[in-house]
Amino acid sequence: GNSVTQMEGPVTLSEEAFLTINCTYTATGYPSLFWYVQYPGEGLQLLLKATKADDKGSNKGFEATYRKETTSFHLEKGSVQVSDSAVYFCALSDEGGSTLGRLYFGRGTQLTVWP
Amino acid sequence: GAGVSQSPSNKVTEKGKDVELRCDPISGHTALYWYRQSLGQGLEFLIYFQGNSAPDKSGLPSDRFSAERTGGSVSTLTIQRTQQEDSAVYLCASSLRISGNTIYFGEGSWLTVV
Repeated sequence: GNSVTQMEGPVTLSEEAFLTINCTYTATGYPSLFWYVQYPGEGLQLLLKATKADDKGSNKGFEATYRKETTSFHLEKGSVQVSDSAVYFCALSDEGGSTLGRLYFGRGTQLTVWP
Repeated sequence: GAGVSQSPSNKVTEKGKDVELRCDPISGHTALYWYRQSLGQGLEFLIYFQGNSAPDKSGLPSDRFSAERTGGSVSTLTIQRTQQEDSAVYLCASSLRISGNTIYFGEGSWLTVV
């Protein structure tokens, strides 16, 4: 089946620290991979995505590379800011079969950045 | 519209009452999804629509839950005889088509059953 496992939180960092949030997946077809972010009091927003192996998604200083060999899509940022404090969700969309278009989410990782 | 719009944004209801949650997707988006986000459960898929049809209803947690979509646009999620465990944020999302397109989420409807 399809599933996403991501690093348990919460993660607490100081401003300008390096961030990694691990995400691994299992999929029956050819998934696209996503990171969504949920800022306090707001809805889910797409942060970045990658649609095939070795693609790198990037946005707002965040990056993630689609690694088929390790079935991973780890989120990284070189220097976090207080404004990055949010919950981050890794997700996959399996484009095959009956699950077409449906997103499978990890459980979310709460990130808090202190000044 | 500019984004996915959901109403009400907050709803407090008594146990046993029925509730309706509404979703207005981005204009022109043919695919529409409902998810539920509850504490400790993460994001749970409920149902999706391609146009007005719902080929996958497997995520609906019980027969108290139903959803419809008319005119290929607005969707309503109905919960009958609400229970306390139904308390959650109900998220609606839409995408241009069912495959290969970014899914955009609304801000959710916060439901509290007392």
